[in-house]
Amino acid sequence: AQSVTQPDIHITVSEGASLELRCNYSYGATPYLFWYVQSPGQGLQLLLKYFSGDTLVQGIKGFEAEFKRSQSSFNLRKPSVHWSDAAEYFCAVGPYNTDKLIFGTGTRLQVFP
Amino acid sequence: DGGITQSPKYLFRKEGQNVTLSCEQNLNHDAMYWYRQDPGQGLRLIYYSQIVNDFQKGDIAEGYSVSREKKESFPLTVTSAQKNPTAFYLCASSMSGTQGFNEKLFFGSGTQLSVL
Repeated sequence: AQSVTQPDIHITVSEGASLELRCNYSYGATPYLFWYVQSPGQGLQLLLKYFSGDTLVQGIKGFEAEFKRSQSSFNLRKPSVHWSDAAEYFCAVGPYNTDKLIFGTGTRLQVFP
Repeated sequence: DGGITQSPKYLFRKEGQNVTLSCEQNLNHDAMYWYRQDPGQGLRLIYYSQIVNDFQKGDIAEGYSVSREKKESFPLTVTSAQKNPTAFYLCASSMSGTQGFNEKLFFGSGTQLSVL
């Protein structure tokens, strides 16, 4: 079955610390991978996406993600977290068609000063 | 500014009542989507429309209905048949629905629906 797993429901980091949010997927075909961020009571905003090519992709707000086919993972990273990064982060995987996008359950990030 | 507008921000439904959530976009996007978000769960697709006057069921369409009479508008009706409607509803759009290419989704700021 096709699925996305975000193993960490809630992560807390100190401001300035590095961050890695995990995403594992199960998908039978070539996956298209996304990370979205959601602030409380708001819609989602695309951070970055991977379709093909370089497996390390850069996104907005200083985020990056690395696609590892052998591990079926697409982890999100940031070298130094800012208090404004506190939000919920969703990993998503899909085929060519947007209507088939599968979202993970999300990881809530809390940032302490 | 271009974007997606959802209204109202908060909505309350009485037993047996149908309610309609509004979604308007001025991005000139062909495709529009409705997602339901429950705490601790990912987004689940309710309905989507790739072109005006056409729409398809998503994964959890039962108890919901939609229309797409105009390119800019994709209202969602939560009917009385939906027995557990309390959730956060998100509308989204993407540029090219007919091609089906997995593109960036633009989201509205959501509507929180609660049952009285």
